Amino acid sequence: GEDVEQSLFLSVREGDSSVINCTYTDSSSTYLYWYKQEPGAGLQLLTYIFSNMDMKQDQRLTVLLNKKDKHLSLRIADTQTGDSAIYFCADPGSNTDKLIFGTGTRLQVFP
Amino acid sequence: DADVTQTPRNRITKTGKRIMLECSQTKGHDRMYWYRQDPGLGLRLIYYSFDVKDINKGEISDGYSVSRQAQAKFSLSLESAIPNQTALYFCATSTPNYGYTFGSGTRLTVV
Repeated sequence: GEDVEQSLFLSVREGDSSVINCTYTDSSSTYLYWYKQEPGAGLQLLTYIFSNMDMKQDQRLTVLLNKKDKHLSLRIADTQTGDSAIYFCADPGSNTDKLIFGTGTRLQVFP
Repeated sequence: DADVTQTPRNRITKTGKRIMLECSQTKGHDRMYWYRQDPGLGLRLIYYSFDVKDINKGEISDGYSVSRQAQAKFSLSLESAIPNQTALYFCATSTPNYGYTFGSGTRLTVV
């Protein structure tokens, strides 16, 4: 079945860049998504990328997609303490009816 | 008011008790979902529904049941709660090819 994998933790210093990585198995997706979960809250859509794109930039966020390696990454420039959260990669695969989520990467930003 | 509202926000229940978690939405979306979140496991799909007459099992439906009372309401029941159902439960809605909207979650503890 479909599988989405992420590393569980990432710790960075405030002002540095953060890179969160994700690998997936189903390459038939039209979109791939990044969600952010702040403490005590639900998931919010952070950004997404069309499968026919290699890169998408949105202010401090850069999404890179390597379809050959089935690898997705989220780069956060100038990471701030407010970026501390859990970040989920999500892939609908060939079935756009439901999303398969990664395990989530907990990003901790320290001063 | 939130687009997707879950009640209760927190609940402690005893093993063997029946409990219902409720979800209502004002998005007007046909598709609704129940996920559970466990540390290190990400979000796993329990049940999903594409309209009032459509109910589908997700990857971890055992021990759970759902009811889609109306387009806007989708409830999740634990018929006989057990401790390993202690988790954070999320309801979500979506439309085709559009990112999900999540509720704030229900933290359930089974003792």
